[in-house]
Amino acid sequence: GAVVSQHPSWVICKSGTSVKIECRSLDFQATTMFWYRQFPKQSLMLMATSNEGSKATYEQGVEKDKFLINHASLTLSTLTVTSAHPEDSSFYICSAEGTSGSYEQYFGPGTRLTVT
Amino acid sequence: KQEVTQIPAALSVPEGENLVLNCSFTDSAIYNLQWFRQDPGKGLTSLLLIQSSQREQTSGRLNASLDKSSGRSTLYIAASQPGDSATYLCAVDTGNQFYFGTGTSLTVIP
Repeated sequence: GAVVSQHPSWVICKSGTSVKIECRSLDFQATTMFWYRQFPKQSLMLMATSNEGSKATYEQGVEKDKFLINHASLTLSTLTVTSAHPEDSSFYICSAEGTSGSYEQYFGPGTRLTVT
Repeated sequence: KQEVTQIPAALSVPEGENLVLNCSFTDSAIYNLQWFRQDPGKGLTSLLLIQSSQREQTSGRLNASLDKSSGRSTLYIAASQPGDSATYLCAVDTGNQFYFGTGTSLTVIP
């Protein structure tokens, strides 16, 4: 089956630093990847849609200059949280859409970010 | 390991019908359960979030119930409309990881 990995699985960083999260489709190519985040006791919410080779599309209320998304290849998308603040502490999860045309999404295991 | 199953895999109903989507999970140690809607080529849209201590949540024509002890959740859609056609996913949050169901593809026929 289609497998999506995320690295790191958890990270602790200091306020003001930047953190990069990787999302990889291991055994298939993904034209489109999605990034989500979940704050404690809240729903998982879509942050942005990332298409290979083009700029990401951000959902309303998500700062594109703060959450930099790069989808440079068909198997890798990265999310960089720049100048992280404690309020950015959250669970970040990516999904990858296969190229078969079925639009099925395959989810990574998630990354838990804690900003101190 | 948590396993999440959704039944049926596909459902086709005439407009106006009430319908129920089912989600079952194998490990009752969950923080919450969420229902999502997925439109082709789009990211997930959160519909309802049920905390582990809750029994149900309602939003408009949608009602979701949770029975942790039996490992089941249902999503009830009242008076279905063609715009409800989409894939519906449930996901269990264990606190460490999300486990997504296989989805139910719903088609509402005008």
